[in-house]
Amino acid sequence: DAKTTQPPSMDCAEGRAANLPCNHSTISGNEYVYWYRQIHSQGPQYIIHGLKNNETNEMASLIITEDRKSSTLILPHATLRDTAVYYCIVRPNFGNEKLTFGTGTRLTIIP
Amino acid sequence: GAVVSQHPSRVICKSGTSVKIECRSLDFQATTMFWYRQFPKKSLMLMATSNEGSKATYEQGVEKDKFLINHASLTLSTLTVTSAHPEDSSFYICSAIGRGNFENTEAFFGQGTRLTVV
Repeated sequence: DAKTTQPPSMDCAEGRAANLPCNHSTISGNEYVYWYRQIHSQGPQYIIHGLKNNETNEMASLIITEDRKSSTLILPHATLRDTAVYYCIVRPNFGNEKLTFGTGTRLTIIP
Repeated sequence: GAVVSQHPSRVICKSGTSVKIECRSLDFQATTMFWYRQFPKKSLMLMATSNEGSKATYEQGVEKDKFLINHASLTLSTLTVTSAHPEDSSFYICSAIGRGNFENTEAFFGQGTRLTVV
C-alpha cells in the first residue's frame, strides 16, 4: 500500500509556482521521498528525490519538513506542459526496491 | 536520465492469442525490471519484479502463468500476455533500475504499451 497522501487535484496559473504537497507521516529513517509525474498516456518521468535536506534540480525543488512527515514539490514557473499526474513515493534508497504508486495529484496548469 | 524503451507502443490482438511486450534499457544495465499495468484514470499497479537471470516475483493476485516475464539479459525483459482476453486490455508499463552511469536507485520508465484485446 502507498504510504503517502496527496490531494487528488490542483490547478495552477501558467507562469506561477506550483506547490504540490505530500504527507508521509509513517516514513522510516531509511526511506527517501521520490517524485514522479505522468503525462497522459506516457510512462512516469522521474523528477527528484531526497532524504531530509532540500533538493533542487533543473526541473523542480523538493522541500522536506524537519520531521520528514511531509514534503512539497515546487515547480518554479509552471508551463502548460507541466499538466500531469504527480506521484509522491517513499522508498528505501538501496538495493532494487520497488516503487509503489498512490493515487497522485492531478495538476492542471491554467493558461 | 536513463532511457528505457518499450515496444510496441500500441497493439491490438484477437482474443485467445498471445502478445509479447519488450522492455529495453538502452544506456545502462538493468539488474531489476518492474512491470506495471494501469487502467484508465487509475494509478499504476505493480504486477511483478524481475531480476536478471532469475524467476520473476509476482504480486498477489497476478497470474504468473498468464503474464510470463523473462529477464534473460541485463538490457531486456519481456512480458507475454498469454491467451489474452478483453479484460486484459490495459496500459502496460515497464521500469528499470540498474548499474551504469546513473545512481542505481532511480527507476526509469518505458513509454508504455497500450494493449487492446478484441
